[in-house]
Amino acid sequence: AQSVAQPEDQVNVAEGNPLTVKCTYSVSGNPYLFWYVQYPNRGLQFLLKYITGDNLVKGSYGFEAEFNKSQTSFHLKKPSALVSDSALYFCAAKNNAGNMLTFGGGTRLMVKP
Amino acid sequence: KAGVTQTPRYLIKTRGQQVTLSCSPISGHRSVSWYQQTPGQGLQFLFEYFSETQRNKGNFPGRFSGRQFSNSRSEMNVSTLELGDSALYLCASSLFFQRGGQDTQYFGPGTRLTVL
Repeated sequence: AQSVAQPEDQVNVAEGNPLTVKCTYSVSGNPYLFWYVQYPNRGLQFLLKYITGDNLVKGSYGFEAEFNKSQTSFHLKKPSALVSDSALYFCAAKNNAGNMLTFGGGTRLMVKP
Repeated sequence: KAGVTQTPRYLIKTRGQQVTLSCSPISGHRSVSWYQQTPGQGLQFLFEYFSETQRNKGNFPGRFSGRQFSNSRSEMNVSTLELGDSALYLCASSLFFQRGGQDTQYFGPGTRLTVL
């Protein structure tokens, strides 16, 4: 069975500082990894994905994520946080067996001015 | 291109009633998936449809069902509602199921169901 873990319920960072939101996964076969962001009363907005190739994936709004196969991790990063980045972030995974996404529990990112 | 749309956005029902939620995928997308989001259980997969056929089903009771129409629009139905069914129900569409895991799912705004 697939599983995704986001070890931090909340991450606090000052505006302008770099941010990292952590994610580890357990997927049989080749993993396909995704990050989504959710703002209040909204659906999930796609940020980026890792399918194959370069371990550093660049996505929307200046976010990037680093795939690390040996550590089974896919951490989300941004060099300089904005207050508007404050939201709920979800890591998700699937494999070649189908289209079902398995989500982590979510991490609330709070960026303070 | 218009995104995934879901109707209604909000619903209030009482225990024992049934409810139908609707989802229109992004134009050209053929796969539609449904997820339930609750504070306690997080995001859980309900089912996926492609070409009017259910391809995958999550671990939910038979009270939860769905269907897909020839234009790829999808509906999900919950019968005999329970208090625990209160949740945000999210629909996601993707381009082409047969690409398997590589497809990106794009989510709608969700339907907030409250069961009293």
